Amino acid sequence: AQSVTQPDIHITVSEGASLELRCNYSYGATPYLFWYVQSPGQGLQLLLKYFSGDTLVQGIKGFEAEFKRSQSSFNLRKPSVHWSDAAEYFCAVSGTYKYIFGTGTRLKVLA
Amino acid sequence: EAGVAQSPRYKIIEKRQSVAFWCNPISGHATLYWYQQILGQGPKLLIQFQNNGVVDDSQLPKDRFSAERLKGVDSTLKIQPAKLEDSAVYLCASSLDRSSPNEQFFGPGTRLTVL
Repeated sequence: AQSVTQPDIHITVSEGASLELRCNYSYGATPYLFWYVQSPGQGLQLLLKYFSGDTLVQGIKGFEAEFKRSQSSFNLRKPSVHWSDAAEYFCAVSGTYKYIFGTGTRLKVLA
Repeated sequence: EAGVAQSPRYKIIEKRQSVAFWCNPISGHATLYWYQQILGQGPKLLIQFQNNGVVDDSQLPKDRFSAERLKGVDSTLKIQPAKLEDSAVYLCASSLDRSSPNEQFFGPGTRLTVL
């Protein structure tokens, strides 16, 4: 069965520090992978997606993610975090039309 | 390009009352989704429409939840009667079609509190 695991419920980083949010998935075939960000009171905004090709994917707001098939992972990274990045981040996997979301990682940024 | 619109943004009701949510997808998007997001969890798909037909409603509690998408554009999601555990954010999303892969665009959500 499809599943997505985000092992870190909360992460706190200082502004300017680097960030890595973990995502592991379970899927029988090549998945389509997504990272979304949700600010308080807002809907989900797509940061980046992986469908095929280059396993390092660039997204908006300076985020990138790397697809590692051998580890069933799709970790999200940012080299220097800004205070405005504080939000909740969701990883999702899709095989056909249906998304399966992880439980999310809430990011706190210290000034 | 206008995004996915939802209303109301917030709703507070008492248990056993009924409530309805409205969604207007992005123009031209054939596929519409309703998700339930309980606090501390990721969104869970309740129902998916392709135009005005239901594609997947396997996780919709059909004894109390109903949804329709008349004319293949706007959609309404109804809960009757509401239970305490229905307190959640209800997200509407749309995509161009249901082919794979697809990108879903989300509305701001309706936050429902059941007292």
